[in-house]
Amino acid sequence: NAGVMQNPRHLVRRRGQEARLRCSPVKGHSHVYWYRQLPEEGLKFMVYLQKENIIDESGMPKERFSAEFPKEGPSILRIQQVVRGDSAAYFCASSPPQGLVTEAFFGQGTRLTVV
Amino acid sequence: AQKITQTQPGMFVQEKEAVTLDCTYDTSDQSYGLFWYKQPSSGEMIFLIYQGSYDEQNATEGRYSLNFQKARKSANLVISASQLGDSAMYFCAMRERQTGANNLFFGTGTRLTVIP
Repeated sequence: NAGVMQNPRHLVRRRGQEARLRCSPVKGHSHVYWYRQLPEEGLKFMVYLQKENIIDESGMPKERFSAEFPKEGPSILRIQQVVRGDSAAYFCASSPPQGLVTEAFFGQGTRLTVV
Repeated sequence: AQKITQTQPGMFVQEKEAVTLDCTYDTSDQSYGLFWYKQPSSGEMIFLIYQGSYDEQNATEGRYSLNFQKARKSANLVISASQLGDSAMYFCAMRERQTGANNLFFGTGTRLTVIP
């Protein structure tokens, strides 16, 4: 019974490259959330997706960041033309379709380092 | 205003003693949920305990309990019988119904160190 799976665990990109972060939710979960944790800070909400729909992207930077959750396959957080300030841990969480969660399980995170 | 405030950047506790990690929150919503997570040095976020705003009893999960004082808007985490493996960052978080979905607001965390 696998939990939320994120890959890669660590990702190094040079400035200007693209970063793709993947999140496979818990089986049966159709809601996915992405959070970013800057060094020495708490997590900050970025985006909430359901299958093929972006529900809330109020926490997403306006440029270079995009997210998708296709009908088949994992959710992808894409960062174009990365800059040093994008270095952070990116966490994904998932939840079932009904109700509000009383437990929110996170993946192990992807640590992005921009050099 | 900060939605979640954790005023203790770092705490020390003797092994086998109890420790309380403070968390206050700010919301005008009547329906909300409060969460505590542990983040060890390996980096993953481990869910510990949840308290709903309408729950009359304080939540407990093993050695973890949540001291929920609604009028004071506080949701302190109590860890009993501390173990060396409890050394980690601890984050308090809140979900509000009015913001929809399940996005959580996190505090800045408290680093707990358990001393042998």
